[in-house]
Amino acid sequence: DTGVSQDPRHKITKRGQNVTFRCDPISEHNRLYWYRQTLGQGPEFLTYFQNEAQLEKSRLLSDRFSAERPKGSFSTLEIQRTEQGDSAMYLCASLGTEETQYFGPGTRLLVL
Amino acid sequence: AQTVTQSQPEMSVQEAETVTLSCTYDTSESNYYLFWYKQPPSRQMILVIRQEAYKQQNATENRFSVNFQKAAKSFSLKISDSQLGDTAMYFCAFMNSNSGYALNFGKGTSLLVTP
Repeated sequence: DTGVSQDPRHKITKRGQNVTFRCDPISEHNRLYWYRQTLGQGPEFLTYFQNEAQLEKSRLLSDRFSAERPKGSFSTLEIQRTEQGDSAMYLCASLGTEETQYFGPGTRLLVL
Repeated sequence: AQTVTQSQPEMSVQEAETVTLSCTYDTSESNYYLFWYKQPPSRQMILVIRQEAYKQQNATENRFSVNFQKAAKSFSLKISDSQLGDTAMYFCAFMNSNSGYALNFGKGTSLLVTP
């Protein structure tokens, strides 16, 4: 399978804990995007990378959110001091030809 | 900022019938891309169809076609010969280079195909 993968698929954590999600894009795709999707809503853009460079991060929801892509391959999204409002699906996508984004299965986060 | 509006939260269609999902958007840009994505229950987002704004011809992909009205900023999706597997959330999305090709999604339309 050469699609976008995300790990873990599900995460349950207690309020105040830190969580980290991983995304592996399609190997030849240079651009990688993170989105958040809350129940009943469309995905909301958070940040994106061109290779290892983070080109947009002003849309990250707070300074508790950070993302990295250190070697231009996989990326991680970290949420520090989680809050119940962080409960959502976190989606990763990579950009292929014809400006088309391919999505991973997402990580569903539940903060108790 | 670009906004994408899907005015139909829920729709229902019988198997083999045709249904049209509506989408309008607001932008001052002239070059952009529009997409319809499908998200089946508990499954991942997949591309249904894409349209480049500079192309006047409406995109088609098998049973899926769009009606792209650039002046009206409208981008509707027509699903012909609906199948049970078409049951899903459908999201309309806008993209252009100014936003680094990030997608701006509408709130979605939940489509139920009934036997």
